Amino acid sequence: QKEVEQNSGPLSVPEGAIASLNCTYSDRGSQSFFWYRQYSGKSPELIMSIYSNGDKEDGRFTAQLNKASQYVSLLIRDSQPSDSATYLCAVNSGGSNYKLTFGKGTLLTVNP
Amino acid sequence: DTAVSQTPKYLVTQMGNDKSIKCEQNLGHDTMYWYKQDSKKFLKIMFSYNNKELIINETVPNRFSPKSPDKAHLNLHINSLELGDSAVYFCASSHSAAVSGYTFGSGTRLTVV
Repeated sequence: QKEVEQNSGPLSVPEGAIASLNCTYSDRGSQSFFWYRQYSGKSPELIMSIYSNGDKEDGRFTAQLNKASQYVSLLIRDSQPSDSATYLCAVNSGGSNYKLTFGKGTLLTVNP
Repeated sequence: DTAVSQTPKYLVTQMGNDKSIKCEQNLGHDTMYWYKQDSKKFLKIMFSYNNKELIINETVPNRFSPKSPDKAHLNLHINSLELGDSAVYFCASSHSAAVSGYTFGSGTRLTVV
C-alpha cells in the first residue's frame, strides 16, 4: 500500500466553483499534514498545514483532517484560473520530525 | 534574498559524466534535504542532513553522494550519470519539518543525454 495516495486527476472545475482535493495516508503514526501547490516548472510552495481533526480555514482554502479515516482534504472556494496547478499532499510518516512523504499530486485546472 | 537557492538551474550532460548541484539556505534552518522529482511529478526523498550530520539516506545508488560543509549548505555529487538520473532535483530546508514543513529551492533540471 502506498504511503500517501492522491487522485492524479486532472480535476477540472469552472471558475468560481469549489475544488475538492483528497488524500489518504497509510501510517497511523502520522501527526502533521501539509498541502503544497506546484505550478508547472516551479518548486512546491506550502499553502496549508493541519495537525488536529477538523477543519482549518485560511482565506479561500480549507484543510480538513480525519485521523480515524486517515484522510485529509483541501477545499478551494471561488476557484480562480490562477489556482491551476498540481497540489501535493505531504505527511510526516511515522511522526518523524524530519521526513515528509509526498503523494503524487493532483493536477487542478480551473476553466475561465 | 532567495531563501533556498540552488545552482545550476539547468544541467545537460552526457552519460558517464560526473556533476554536482549546490544548495544554500539563509533561513537559519538546521535541516536540509535532497528530493528527486520524476517526470510524473513524484517527489521522493533522497538524503537529509541535520546540523551537518546525515540523518536520512534512502535507497539511492551510491553514485549519489551528498556533502554538507555546514548547516547552511548541502551539495549533491553524482558520478557516472545515467539516462535514468534525468529529473528535477529539489533542495529543501526546515527548522522542524513536522511543525512547519519544508521550504524548497527552485530546483535543478538535470538532463542526461
